Amino acid sequence: GDSVTQMEGPVTLSEEAFLTINCTYTATGYPSLFWYVQYPGEGLQLLLKATKADDKGSNKGFEATYRKETTSFHLEKGSVQVSDSAVYFCALTSNSGYSTLTFGKGTMLLVSP
Amino acid sequence: GAVVSQHPSRVICKSGTSVKIECRSLDFQATTMFWYRQFPKQSLMLMATSNEGSKATYEQGVEKDKFLINHASLTLSTLTVTSAHPEDSSFYICSAPEGGGQGAPEQYFGPGTRLTVT
Repeated sequence: GDSVTQMEGPVTLSEEAFLTINCTYTATGYPSLFWYVQYPGEGLQLLLKATKADDKGSNKGFEATYRKETTSFHLEKGSVQVSDSAVYFCALTSNSGYSTLTFGKGTMLLVSP
Repeated sequence: GAVVSQHPSRVICKSGTSVKIECRSLDFQATTMFWYRQFPKQSLMLMATSNEGSKATYEQGVEKDKFLINHASLTLSTLTVTSAHPEDSSFYICSAPEGGGQGAPEQYFGPGTRLTVT
């Protein structure tokens, strides 16, 4: 079945540092890929998505590129802020029309001033 | 974007009682909603798919008699935890897909409900 593997956290960075959170996936067909962010005590918010190979999703300074050849969707940000501290989930859904999401385990990001 | 609400945000109940959690799509209709459970520092586990006008579809290992799901209308799904026990304490999150365009519909998540069973 489908699966998503993320790097384990927590990832601890200083403000303005460069961020990479690795995500790789296993899926049949051509899934859509997502990054969700969860702030403490809250539900999930969609951060960005990509629906086909070589697409780049971007939002709020975060970027991720759908790499079919390496089955990866790594999240990057050039300069993190304290307010970026949260848990980040990589996820996928098949394009069969059924929108069940398969999530990675999540990576906690802690940014210090 | 679309908004999904959940009520209550937090609930504490005694062991053996039942608790109902509501999930509403505020500005769109959702024939399908999903219920997830999240343990501390862990990922979301899909519990069931709620279908308006028909029975819910439960994931393997989820007790359908314990976690009752009712999709009463196109904007409301409820999850009732029956005869709750401390091990049912968790963060419950619902989501609803909306729109689509290219690729699968986008999922909108509720803010979650923290259930504590004493």
